[in-house]
Amino acid sequence: AQSVTQPDIHITVSEGASLELRCNYSYGATPYLFWYVQSPGQGLQLLLKYFSGDTLVQGIKGFEAEFKRSQSSFNLRKPSVHWSDAAEYFCAVGDSGGYQKVTFGTGTKLQVIP
Amino acid sequence: EAQVTQNPRYLITVTGKKLTVTCSQNMNHEYMSWYRQDPGLGLRQIYYSMNVEVTDKGDVPEGYKVSRKEKRNFPLILESPSPNQTSLYFCATGGGINSPLHFGNGTRLTVT
Repeated sequence: AQSVTQPDIHITVSEGASLELRCNYSYGATPYLFWYVQSPGQGLQLLLKYFSGDTLVQGIKGFEAEFKRSQSSFNLRKPSVHWSDAAEYFCAVGDSGGYQKVTFGTGTKLQVIP
Repeated sequence: EAQVTQNPRYLITVTGKKLTVTCSQNMNHEYMSWYRQDPGLGLRQIYYSMNVEVTDKGDVPEGYKVSRKEKRNFPLILESPSPNQTSLYFCATGGGINSPLHFGNGTRLTVT
């Protein structure tokens, strides 16, 4: 069965600092990988996705993620964090059929301090 | 404007009283799904539907029912709610593998 691990429950960074959120997945074939962001009281919004091709994926709001098959990882990065980035971030893995089974990680809550 | 509309946003009910949470989308998406979100557990899939009259269980289907009689609607039914179904519920729709999932704003359910 597919699974996703986000080892960091809570991360605090200073505004302007760089950010890396970790994600490790377990999946038998080439995975479909996603990062979503959830602002308080809102649903989830897609930041970026990886299906195939270039392993460095660019997303919205200045985020990027790198797929590393050898490490089963799909870490999310941003070079300079803004206060508005404070939210909860979810990594997710989908099966080769796309939407049938999308499994989410437990989330990482990001706090940004001035 | 693309929308996934869930109703109600908040619901407090008592154990055993049947309830329905509605989900409607205006994007003509074939795929729809229900998730529940609990602290420390992330989002877990309850049921999904690939098309009208086609539904299947997700990871945590016990205690829930769904139906898909029309493409735009995918209601979540709790026949006999219990306190362990207190959670935040999200409906999501998808237009295909190269399109993102669209989420509703959630329904916070409390069962006492």
